[in-house]
Amino acid sequence: AQSVTQLGSHVSVSEGALVLLRCNYSSSVPPYLFWYVQYPNQGLQLLLKYTSAATLVKGINGFEAEFKKSETSFHLTKPSAHMSDAAEYFCAVSASGALNFGKGTSLLVTP
Amino acid sequence: NAGVTQTPKFRVLKTGQSMTLLCAQDMNHEYMYWYRQDPGMGLRLIHYSVGEGTTAKGEVPDGYNVSRLKKQNFLLGLESAAPSQTSVYFCASSSGSNYGYTFGSGTRLTVV
Repeated sequence: AQSVTQLGSHVSVSEGALVLLRCNYSSSVPPYLFWYVQYPNQGLQLLLKYTSAATLVKGINGFEAEFKKSETSFHLTKPSAHMSDAAEYFCAVSASGALNFGKGTSLLVTP
Repeated sequence: NAGVTQTPKFRVLKTGQSMTLLCAQDMNHEYMYWYRQDPGMGLRLIHYSVGEGTTAKGEVPDGYNVSRLKKQNFLLGLESAAPSQTSVYFCASSSGSNYGYTFGSGTRLTVV
């Protein structure tokens, strides 16, 4: 079954530093992969998605993710963190008509 | 364009009570989903629907029932609420899981 594992339930970065949130997938077929962001007391918002068109995917708010088949990874990055990036981030994989989500990574941005 | 609307936003139930959560979408999506979110557990799929009149079980369906009588609405029912059902419930819709979801803002349910 298709699944994702997010490494690190909490990540802390300084404002202006690189953001790296890790996601590894398990899939027997070429996967469709997604990153979502959840701000406090809100629903989830799509950041970006990988659908096999290009391995480097650019999303909203300056985020991007690179699909690496050899590493079964789909890590999310942003060159320079902003205070407004503090949120919960979820990786997800399409599986049998629905999305399977990882457990989430909480990003803290310090001044 | 409202997207996905969930009602109510908050609810407190006593153990054994029943209730229905309503999800409505105005994007003409075929697929609709109910997830629950618990701390440290991510989102877990309860039930989903691939079209009007169809429903299917997800990862954690026990204690819940659903109905999709109209394409735009997806109802989640709790017949006899238990404290273990205290959670935040999210509804989502899509044109297909490969396209990603549009989420509602959630319903925070507490069962005492």
